[in-house]
Amino acid sequence: AQSVAQPEDQVNVAEGNPLTVKCTYSVSGNPYLFWYVQYPNRGLQFLLKYITGDNLVKGSYGFEAEFNKSQTSFHLKKPSALVSDSALYFCAVRPRGGSTLGRLYFGRGTQLTVWP
Amino acid sequence: NAGVTQTPKFRILKIGQSMTLQCAQDMNHNYMYWYRQDPGMGLKLIYYSVGAGITDKGEVPNGYNVSRSTTEDFPLRLELAAPSQTSVYFCASTLERESGELFFGEGSRLTVL
Repeated sequence: AQSVAQPEDQVNVAEGNPLTVKCTYSVSGNPYLFWYVQYPNRGLQFLLKYITGDNLVKGSYGFEAEFNKSQTSFHLKKPSALVSDSALYFCAVRPRGGSTLGRLYFGRGTQLTVWP
Repeated sequence: NAGVTQTPKFRILKIGQSMTLQCAQDMNHNYMYWYRQDPGMGLKLIYYSVGAGITDKGEVPNGYNVSRSTTEDFPLRLELAAPSQTSVYFCASTLERESGELFFGEGSRLTVL
């Protein structure tokens, strides 16, 4: 069965400090990997994705994510956090090929709080 | 571009009532999805569609139904509403089945009392 784990329900970090939001997955093959952000009472917004190539992917708002195949992880990072980064972050995976027809499997989400 | 539009944004239903959540996208995406979001549970797939006239069940389809008569519209029907269907519902679409990111609507918050 496909699964995505975000081991931390909450991450708290001071503004200006680096942040990491963790994600590991158990999906057959080499899946496509995504990060989304959700602000209160809004829909999910795409941040970045890994398809192939360089293990470090850069996305919107200064976020980046590091793909590690051996650890089946795709951690979200930002060198210097902003208070406005406070939101709910979701990791998602999509298996390649097969019969999944484009559906994404989501983690439970990690609430990021950046304090001034 | 409007992207993905969902209506209504909020609705309160009594047990046993029925309603339809509307979803429309103007990006000519073939692939469309309905998810529900419950606190601390992430998103669960209810139904999806790969094109007009083609729909299939996701993880949690019981109590719901969908149709896809056009590329643009993908309504979700709730029959005989139950308290367990209290949730936030998101419609999403994508152009590319594998590598494409999902575009989400703003959500529809449904409460069943």
